[in-house]
Amino acid sequence: EAGVAQSPRYKIIEKRQSVAFWCNPISGHATLYWYQQILGQGPKLLIQFQNNGVVDDSQLPKDRFSAERLKGVDSTLKIQPAKLEDSAVYLCASSPTGRGALAKNIQYFGAGTRLSVL
Amino acid sequence: SQQGEEDPQALSIQEGENATMNCSYKTSINNLQWYRQNSGRGLVHLILIRSNEREKHSGRLRVTLDTSKKSSSLLITASRAADTASYFCATDAARGSNYKLTFGKGTLLTVNP
Repeated sequence: EAGVAQSPRYKIIEKRQSVAFWCNPISGHATLYWYQQILGQGPKLLIQFQNNGVVDDSQLPKDRFSAERLKGVDSTLKIQPAKLEDSAVYLCASSPTGRGALAKNIQYFGAGTRLSVL
Repeated sequence: SQQGEEDPQALSIQEGENATMNCSYKTSINNLQWYRQNSGRGLVHLILIRSNEREKHSGRLRVTLDTSKKSSSLLITASRAADTASYFCATDAARGSNYKLTFGKGTLLTVNP
């Protein structure tokens, strides 16, 4: 089965510009997650979708970050305007549904998008 | 905030030696997982241990869980250069988690050939 696809792999922008990341989860996975991983730290959850509905966006800086998952499949994460502290790797993950509670709890990650804000 | 805290932050060993990493967490959990991240890549799930389990094995991996101390350890036996990566523990909170995981800061393991 194909893994989680993310694009672009790298992005360099100047502060105050906008940027968008795209994620295509594993086919059939109902839950999709966006994480921010700053260098030297673990991933921090930004937003969690169940199908096309938001389950948790408590740590999403909503004044500048937005995300959508139209049709409950692929998703985009946008930053507008970007700040220097947004430099990080943005990871997308998905988890399966319908195969029991423990299976739903295992997350499958894409390779991430490395964002540099200058 | 990050629930899990790994220890040590960095570990360097020789090929063939065993590597032990520890994770401490703060709140009650449903289960605890370990993930590996190679440089420039996404995370890969290694093993999941439920809150009612004390030990679990998978190949060269051994995970223990002590819920009374809110801690877990990951042992990699007979390490290989290919095991060089960052290792993260992730916890699923016991109540209302909606399958949300909270990751620690990770342990960077370097296995020297």
